[in-house]
Amino acid sequence: DGGITQSPKYLFRKEGQNVTLSCEQNLNHDAMYWYRQDPGQGLRLIYYSQIVNDFQKGDIAEGYSVSREKKESFPLTVTSAQKNPTAFYLCASARSDLAKNIQYFGAGTRLSVL
Amino acid sequence: AQSVTQLDSHVSVSEGTPVLLRCNYSSSYSPSLFWYVQHPNKGLQLLLKYTSAATLVKGINGFEAEFKKSETSFHLTKPSAHMSDAAEYFCVVSDGRGYGGSQGNLIFGKGTKLSVKP
Repeated sequence: DGGITQSPKYLFRKEGQNVTLSCEQNLNHDAMYWYRQDPGQGLRLIYYSQIVNDFQKGDIAEGYSVSREKKESFPLTVTSAQKNPTAFYLCASARSDLAKNIQYFGAGTRLSVL
Repeated sequence: AQSVTQLDSHVSVSEGTPVLLRCNYSSSYSPSLFWYVQHPNKGLQLLLKYTSAATLVKGINGFEAEFKKSETSFHLTKPSAHMSDAAEYFCVVSDGRGYGGSQGNLIFGKGTKLSVKP
């Protein structure tokens, strides 16, 4: 089945630790996105990538890093510089960066701090 | 700059009664508008989208929304609520300008939680 797979579903981070969230898609989409969701805040864009080996900062990129070495993969690293990482993280993909194209979402990763 | 305001953070209805979730937008250009639904601890699923074609847009699961430019609104409705409709709903806007930058991406409202009572 085609879709977007995020793993793990739940993740715990210790103080000072970097953690990486996985996002894989087999939809052959060019564009991929990472969002952070906090209660009552909607979704906020962290990073996005329009094409392999290229990515751009979104509205809240500080404390996060990404890579796009393969079309189907867009991992997100939450670094120790992100002081408030507890949130629900959603990955999405679309056929292109044109905003009229539908974004398809994964099931999310819930990150908590120990 | 574009923005979207969902006027109610929480709406409660009885099963079988109509649903109205309100959304107002602001955009300098002809907007694209979307409604997404999120069930607990799940990703988002597209309900419907408006991209300057018919102003009344029909979506999945019996939902529809009407684009009203004069009122800058894009309210989501359903004639009869079902228990399975209980979820959080997000109104989303984009002006669809070009590539790159937050202007070319989606702006999400803060969400409306819909509760359905038996």
